[in-house]
Formats: sequence, structure tokens, C-alpha cells
Amino acid sequence: KAGVTQTPRYLIKTRGQQVTLSCSPISGHRSVSWYQQTPGQGLQFLFEYFSETQRNKGNFPGRFSGRQFSNSRSEMNVSTLELGDSALYLCASSLTGKAYNEQFFGPGTRLTVL
Amino acid sequence: GNSVTQMEGPVTLSEEAFLTINCTYTATGYPSLFWYVQYPGEGLQLLLKATKADDKGSNKGFEATYRKETTSFHLEKGSVQVSDSAVYFCALSETDEGGGSNYKLTFGKGTLLTVNP
Repeated sequence: KAGVTQTPRYLIKTRGQQVTLSCSPISGHRSVSWYQQTPGQGLQFLFEYFSETQRNKGNFPGRFSGRQFSNSRSEMNVSTLELGDSALYLCASSLTGKAYNEQFFGPGTRLTVL
Repeated sequence: GNSVTQMEGPVTLSEEAFLTINCTYTATGYPSLFWYVQYPGEGLQLLLKATKADDKGSNKGFEATYRKETTSFHLEKGSVQVSDSAVYFCALSETDEGGGSNYKLTFGKGTLLTVNP
């Protein structure tokens, strides 16, 4: 069974630009979560989607948004990029998003903002 | 709100040494507790979990016991190997008794473990 895939793996952008990251969950998984990982703040929850609906959102500005498609694939978008947005963005999928279902993480997208 | 505090390290050990990484948490409700491991260049992998007080999670020689009285979930391994070198994250997910809440993980800062031969 294929794991969680994220594209692209690496991305370089400049301040003010916008970026879209993609996540394909494990087949059959309907919940997709996104996390931002930085050396200073560690791992922080961005949002979670289930059946195309955002159910949970972390404490990030409105520049960070996401969506989920009917096939459970998810995208996250960051507009008006800032230097501080440089991070590893991790996507995780699970069957239902309940705590008793294991979350499986992708390898991440490394975003560098210059 | 929820929070997780773990020793940040780095921790450097010799092969076959005993490992302990401390983790304490603050949460309302009935959290589930997890240890994740991240190898260089990879995403996170679930190492073990415990969903209620006094549960012991175990996997690959690693163990952790959910201690509600001390709000702790310390990770231990009796004999580490070079291949255990990685970053270890303690995390919690708040859940009600029926596991009804959504799956939002709160992570500790991570502990870098280096095992030398």
C-alpha cells in the first residue's frame, strides 16, 4: 500500500509570492492534517480536513488556507509569503481522524522563502 | 490549552546504553499519548501510543507508561542501537472517552538522540 505522498519535496520562493503544496493520503484515508515544522517553534498543527470539510484549525494567520478534494487529496496554500514561513510542511492521513486511528505522515515539503 | 514538555537534549549515548527521554504534559479531558520518531530526511513515524491511564505502549524495544498521577509518558529502552539515532517527539491528542474528538496532535519540541558505536 502506497504511503502518504507530498509534492513538491522542495520549493524555493521569494517574499510576497504564494505557494501551493499537495498531499495525497493513503488510499481509503479520509482525514488529512497539516503541520508546520520549524527549528524554533517545533511542530505546530495547521488544520485538519475530513470529507472535504475543515474540522479543526490551528493558530495561524489567514494567509494559510487549505482544501480537500472528493478523492481526499489535499492542498494547502500560503499567500504573501514571509521569511518566517520557511519550514518543513508535513501532511498526515488517517482513516477517520479519530484519536484511535494512527496518523501516517508524509516526507514533507521543504519550503524556503528568500 | 494543551502542552507537552520533553527534554530537548541532544542526548548522546553509546551502543547498548539505557535510554530515558522524559515527557510531561498538560491537558484537559482524557488525552491519548504518543511517541513519534523522525529519521533524517523523513516524515514522522508512530513509535508507540497509550490511550488511557496505566497503559503501557511498546514497540521495537521502546516502552512508555501513561502516568496520569504525574502527567508523564517517559520513553525508555534498555539497550539502544546505532540505528535508533533520530529525533523523538512526545505528543498528545485530546479525546473524550469515546474517542470522539478530532485528531489534533500537540507535540513536544523533540529530542535528538545520537547513538555511537
